[in-house]
Amino acid sequence: NAGVTQTPKFRVLKTGQSMTLLCAQDMNHEYMYWYRQDPGMGLRLIHYSVGEGTTAKGEVPDGYNVSRLKKQNFLLGLESAAPSQTSVYFCASSYDLRTSGVFGETQYFGPGTRLLVL
Amino acid sequence: AQKVTQAQTEISVVEKEDVTLDCVYETRDTTYYLFWYKQPPSGELVFLIRRNSFDEQNEISGRYSWNFQKSTSSFNFTITASQVVDSAVYFCALSEAGSQGGKLIFGQGTELSVKP
Repeated sequence: NAGVTQTPKFRVLKTGQSMTLLCAQDMNHEYMYWYRQDPGMGLRLIHYSVGEGTTAKGEVPDGYNVSRLKKQNFLLGLESAAPSQTSVYFCASSYDLRTSGVFGETQYFGPGTRLLVL
Repeated sequence: AQKVTQAQTEISVVEKEDVTLDCVYETRDTTYYLFWYKQPPSGELVFLIRRNSFDEQNEISGRYSWNFQKSTSSFNFTITASQVVDSAVYFCALSEAGSQGGKLIFGQGTELSVKP
C-alpha cells in the first residue's frame, strides 16, 4: 500500500495563477483533510471531507476550494494564488467512527507539497 | 475554545540526555483524543501515539514515554537517553468528540535538536 500520496511535491507559482493539488489514499478511508504548515504556527486545517461528494470548511478556508468526487481522492484548488499562500500543504486521511467504531481514529499524512507563490 | 499550546519553541540537548516536551490543551469536551506526531528533517509527519481522555495511564514505548494529566490538562512527552535521530519537530494535537470529522487541532510544535 502506498498510503497517502500527494502530487506535486514542489511547485512555484506566480501571483494570480491557479493550480490543483492532488491527494490520493489507498486505505479506503472515509475522512480526508487538507492542512497547511507555516513556521511557528503548526498545522492548520483548510478543508476536510467526511465522505465522497462532501466537503466542509476548516480553520483557514479562504482562497481555497476542494472537491471529493472519488472516495480515494481529495483535490485542493487555488484559483488565484497569492504570496500568503506560500506554505507546505499536507493531506491526511482517517477512518470514520461509524466504520471503525473507534472515536479519534489516527490521521495518516502524505509527504507534503511545498508551494512557493512569487 | 479548543487550543493546544507547546510553549517550548526550540530545545537543544546533548546526546544521552533526557528531554521532556510539554503540551497543554484546552477543551470543553469531556471526550477527546490527544496525539503526538514527529516531523523529522525529511518533512513527513509520523504518528507516535494516541491517547483518549478516559485513559490517564502513562505509556512507555522504548525510550519514549507519555504523561497524561487531566488535572493540569497536560500531555507531556519524554525521550530518555536522547539520540541524534530524535532531532525533529514534535507536534501535539487534540481531537474532540463533538467536532465533526475528527479534526485535529495542532500545537505550534517544538523543535528538538540533539547534538552528538
